[in-house]
Amino acid sequence: QLQLQESGPGLVKPSETLSLTCTVSGGSISSSNCHWGWIRQPPGKGLEWIGSIYYSGTTYYNPSLKSRVTISVDTSKNQFSLKLSSVTAADTAVYYCARNSYDYYYMDVWGKGTTVTVSS
Amino acid sequence: QTVVTQEPSFSVSPGGTVTLTCGLSSGSVSTSDYPSWYQQTPGQAPRTLIYSTNTRSSGVPDRFSGSILGNKAALTITGAQADDESDYYCVLYMGSGTWVFGGGTKLTVL
Repeated sequence: QLQLQESGPGLVKPSETLSLTCTVSGGSISSSNCHWGWIRQPPGKGLEWIGSIYYSGTTYYNPSLKSRVTISVDTSKNQFSLKLSSVTAADTAVYYCARNSYDYYYMDVWGKGTTVTVSS
Repeated sequence: QTVVTQEPSFSVSPGGTVTLTCGLSSGSVSTSDYPSWYQQTPGQAPRTLIYSTNTRSSGVPDRFSGSILGNKAALTITGAQADDESDYYCVLYMGSGTWVFGGGTKLTVL
């Protein structure tokens, strides 16, 4: 059974770069017909799609975050990663990784999420 | 920028039927947007309910159904139960590898 697990620092200082990794187990990140994505949820607010990546390295980003986001993939480790630069308190959120099915264009497997707080 | 609209809140009586909708700030939602629906309870990751407009994800009870109603995607819960009280999010595929979430609907069962 495919599982995704987010990891990374829970506290990041303002203006620094947030870095998270999602480890995929129970399946290969090099699967066709799926992308690997990041979604976040600020406290008390809704979900926001951040971006996604294909195992080949092709990336897709939310236009509102594109200037600060980098998503990368490491197929040898079955992991993909998120970097968000120049963070502010508004980037405080629960960050989820998810598999995006390209057969039917939806998020079919989710990680449990990890909380990241931006504070000095 | 595209905005996906949902009712902020809705209430339904136990055993009742409720339809939540998902629209676009400009234009109509169609099957080509591959609307999907997710249920989220506090402190938990979202759970996939419906994809590709009307296909239930594995293990989802058949009281949940999806459709296109007029110019919106819709999630209907028939015979609502207490544990259906959750936040519900729709997502539309915008093409070119991008998705947009709706703002979510908080459903109260009382």
